[in-house]
Amino acid sequence: DSGVTQTPKHLITATGQRVTLRCSPRSGDLSVYWYQQSLDQGLQFLIQYYNGEERAKGNILERFSAQQFPDLHSELNLSSLELGDSALYFCASSEGKYRASQTGELFFGEGSRLTVL
Amino acid sequence: QKEVEQDPGPLSVPEGAIVSLNCTYSNSAFQYFMWYRQYSRKGPELLMYTYSSGNKEDGRFTAQVDKSSKYISLFIRDSQPSDSATYLCAMKPVDDYKLSFGAGTTVTVRA
Repeated sequence: DSGVTQTPKHLITATGQRVTLRCSPRSGDLSVYWYQQSLDQGLQFLIQYYNGEERAKGNILERFSAQQFPDLHSELNLSSLELGDSALYFCASSEGKYRASQTGELFFGEGSRLTVL
Repeated sequence: QKEVEQDPGPLSVPEGAIVSLNCTYSNSAFQYFMWYRQYSRKGPELLMYTYSSGNKEDGRFTAQVDKSSKYISLFIRDSQPSDSATYLCAMKPVDDYKLSFGAGTTVTVRA
């Protein structure tokens, strides 16, 4: 158990809908990362938050947004969903204070599997 | 061209065989190199990391980095059925937050 909790584990919805994925990082971790994993694209970095502030942005679509709350949990909001958004969405956390751990170790949750029909 | 290239396999080997996995990359700024293991329906977990070039051994696992060729490898000796998983390489520059992952290679070790 990595200590990172993600909900829901599975989600089935229709095109055009909006969903929210939730992540609780490991106790004490200030950084939260969101990744998308699909069969053809592998693990793609979406966005990182550190202590409530956006720190880095990757290949995140404008239809997607995220935030990190004062209690350090994070939410990823996906709107106007398309079939191609079907994927596994992972949240990860790290112990970084001012930057990610030098070893690059991220602790991943078990993911939220999104299916868009 | 992707920043990190990894053959997705799949790779199937008999128990006891040596598993050889590799990745190539294009960004010469990468300094930290990692291998993550992902079991089915689970999140990735860090297996090994290496800084800059060289070899690192941990039990049955050996990681090699050749920065001159922009090539990294992971070897699994005496492979076991419990090693069946997807192995992802990952790398990052110094002082950067973002890990760049390979697509992952799915390995099956047959008993």
